[in-house]
Formats: sequence, C-alpha cells, structure tokens
Amino acid sequence: EDKVVQSPLSLVVHEGDTVTLNCSYEVTNFRSLLWYKQEKKAPTFLFMLTSSGIEKKSGRLSSILDKKELFSILNITATQTGDSAVYLCAVVSGNKLVFGAGTILRVKS
Amino acid sequence: DGGITQSPKYLFRKEGQNVTLSCEQNLNHDAMYWYRQDPGQGLRLIYYSQIVNDFQKGDIAEGYSVSREKKESFPLTVTSAQKNPTAFYLCASSLSGQGADTQYFGPGTRLTVL
Repeated sequence: EDKVVQSPLSLVVHEGDTVTLNCSYEVTNFRSLLWYKQEKKAPTFLFMLTSSGIEKKSGRLSSILDKKELFSILNITATQTGDSAVYLCAVVSGNKLVFGAGTILRVKS
Repeated sequence: DGGITQSPKYLFRKEGQNVTLSCEQNLNHDAMYWYRQDPGQGLRLIYYSQIVNDFQKGDIAEGYSVSREKKESFPLTVTSAQKNPTAFYLCASSLSGQGADTQYFGPGTRLTVL
C-alpha cells in the first residue's frame, strides 16, 4: 500500500525562525513529489520534485528530494505570520496522488 | 479568469438525502479528481476521470458516484449509502491523467450532515 508520512504533525515558531518540514514515502511507482500550502481552503501548489539532489527554490521556500532514502524536506527561512498554514506533501504513484496528513505550521509574531 | 470553481461553498444535508457537489474548470484540463479531507488526515481520493465519459474509483469510492459528460464538469453525488459524509470535499484537475502533471485545486465544499 502506498504511504506518505509527514513530520512533525504540528509546529509553532516565532517570526524570523527557520523551519524544516519532512516527508517520507513508500510507493509502488514513484513519478514525482509535490508540496502544497493549504490556508483554510484550496491547497496551492509550491513545488514539484522529480530528480534527487536538485534544490527547488522560490523566495524563502526551498525543497529537495532524496530518491535513495525516499524523503523530501521543505525549508522556510525567515518565517512570517503569513506562512501559517497546513503544508501537504503528495507523491505521484502511477496515475494517482497520495497525500500525507500534513504539517500544521503556526508562526507567532 | 482560468480556474476551478466548486459550489456550493457550504452544504447541509439531512440523513438519507443524496446531494450533488459541483466542480467546473475552464483550464482545458483532461483529468479531474475528487478528494475528501477529514481533520488530521491527508486528502483521500474518491474518484478520478482521465478523459470525458470515463472515470475510475479511487481509494474511498463507496457511497459516492460521479459523471463526466463534459470535459469541464465533474459533479460528485454523495449518496445516502455514504456512512460518514461530513467532510471537506476538494475537486482538482490536471492537464492530463498521466500522473506526472501538477494537480490544481478548487476552493472546496464543506458538507455537513445534520
């Protein structure tokens, strides 16, 4: 059975802190790994990762994939209150997207 | 504006009633998906459609039905057979159904059974 596990389940930090969110997976037919940010409603797309070791970066967010160890991390530097959200990791296995339970991030001012 | 719309935003249903959730996209995407999200759990796939007039069951299809008569529309019916339908329902679409394309999500419908 395909499985995606995210850790930690929740996290509270202060503005300016750096956070690292983890995603490990076991799937039968890996094609890519995606990160989404969900603020109450629709998840919004952040990154798609297909190759090991290549960092994807967008502003203060970055992510990297390790296909040998079967995990990915999402880093957020200099956190802001607007980063408070649920961060979802999902793995494309065959034609389906398998989601982790998400990490709830709360950034306090 | 291109995007995915879902309606209604909130829906209340009495036990024993069927309800239909709407999902429309004008992105010209071939594939569309329905997910269910419960507190503390990831999104779980209910049904997906890779092309018009074709759809497949996801991991939790029991008690749900769909149709895909038009490319832009993928309505989901929650039947009275669904034992615990209260949840947040998300519709998504992707360019193709080949799995490698990013899925984009609608704003969701929150269904509450009274």
